[in-house]
Amino acid sequence: EDKVVQSPLSLVVHEGDTVTLNCSYEVTNFRSLLWYKQEKKAPTFLFMLTSSGIEKKSGRLSSILDKKELFSILNITATQTGDSAIYLCAVEGYNNNDMRFGAGTRLTVKP
Amino acid sequence: DTGVSQDPRHKITKRGQNVTFRCDPISEHNRLYWYRQTLGQGPEFLTYFQNEAQLEKSRLLSDRFSAERPKGSFSTLEIQRTEQGDSAMYLCASSLGQGSPLHFGNGTRLTVT
Repeated sequence: EDKVVQSPLSLVVHEGDTVTLNCSYEVTNFRSLLWYKQEKKAPTFLFMLTSSGIEKKSGRLSSILDKKELFSILNITATQTGDSAIYLCAVEGYNNNDMRFGAGTRLTVKP
Repeated sequence: DTGVSQDPRHKITKRGQNVTFRCDPISEHNRLYWYRQTLGQGPEFLTYFQNEAQLEKSRLLSDRFSAERPKGSFSTLEIQRTEQGDSAMYLCASSLGQGSPLHFGNGTRLTVT
């Protein structure tokens, strides 16, 4: 059965720190891995990764995928209090039509 | 902003009552998904539609749950004979198709007392 495991489950840092969030997965016929940020309500899309070793970057956030070792990391540099949220990882396979989500990492950035 | 909208935002109901939620997807998106999220967990897949056809249902979805998407536009999710275990956030999402990111609505928070 498809599985997504995120670590750590929660993390508390101070403004300016750099954080790395982890996502490991098992999925049949992997198509893509996605990262979402969830603040109060709707998860909002951050990145979609389909190829190994190609970094996706948006401002202070970046992510990379390793399809051989079946994991992805999400890096946030120079964290700000506005980065406080739950970060969700999801995977999609070619054989299925749903995205399987991990439990998320709750990041708290203290001033 | 013509994102995904869900109604109502909150619903409190007594055990045994029926409830219905509505989702309006992004207009050009032909895929629509329902997910359920409880505290400390990621969203769990319930069902999805390609246009008006319901193509997959999770085994989490008991026969008390039914979803429709008439004419391939908005969708409704009905829960009959609600139980306390149904208390959760119900999220709707839409996408252009497989391989495209999901765009989520703000959810309907259901509390069953």
